[in-house]
Amino acid sequence: KAGVTQTPRYLIKTRGQQVTLSCSPISGHRSVSWYQQTPGQGLQFLFEYFSETQRNKGNFPGRFSGRQFSNSRSEMNVSTLELGDSALYLCASSLGGLINYGYTFGSGTRLTVV
Amino acid sequence: KNEVEQSPQNLTAQEGEFITINCSYSVGISALHWLQQHPGGGIVSLFMLSSGKKKHGRLIATINIQEKHSSLHITASHPRDSAVYICAVNLGGGGADGLTFGKGTHLIIQP
Repeated sequence: KAGVTQTPRYLIKTRGQQVTLSCSPISGHRSVSWYQQTPGQGLQFLFEYFSETQRNKGNFPGRFSGRQFSNSRSEMNVSTLELGDSALYLCASSLGGLINYGYTFGSGTRLTVV
Repeated sequence: KNEVEQSPQNLTAQEGEFITINCSYSVGISALHWLQQHPGGGIVSLFMLSSGKKKHGRLIATINIQEKHSSLHITASHPRDSAVYICAVNLGGGGADGLTFGKGTHLIIQP
């Protein structure tokens, strides 16, 4: 069965621009979570969506936002890009719900802000 | 202070050696995950634990809930095991809080 698909794989943007990243989860998975990975801070939780609802958000500024569609595909948006937003952005899908399930990660989108 | 601490940060070993990576956490958790990340960024989930021990091939993961500690063991290590191993926890049930990660252990297995 198809894995978690993230698009695009690589992206170069200029400071001040905005960017939208996409994540298509495994079929049947209703939870999508997003993470930022940088050399300095490591992996950090951005937000989690389940059945089109954001259930939680990490400690990131309001410039970071996301949404989930009825087919469970999710997008995250970063507005007014800063140099420090350069990172690998990963999404992970899970069955979700009230109990814990394992995660399947996408290959990530590597964002470079210049 | 990080909620999830891993040790060692870096580990270099010879092929065939028995490897242990440790993870300690300071908060209540609903599940603990061991992840593997290869150069290029892709992350693979190895184990999810809420109690006891799990084994998959040459990999063994254990967790002690009372001591808030987990270990990942690799038996008969091989150069292809070289990767970053990351411990991560779910703070709440259902994954709504996402994962909280340790800093990772960079493992190199030399032939």
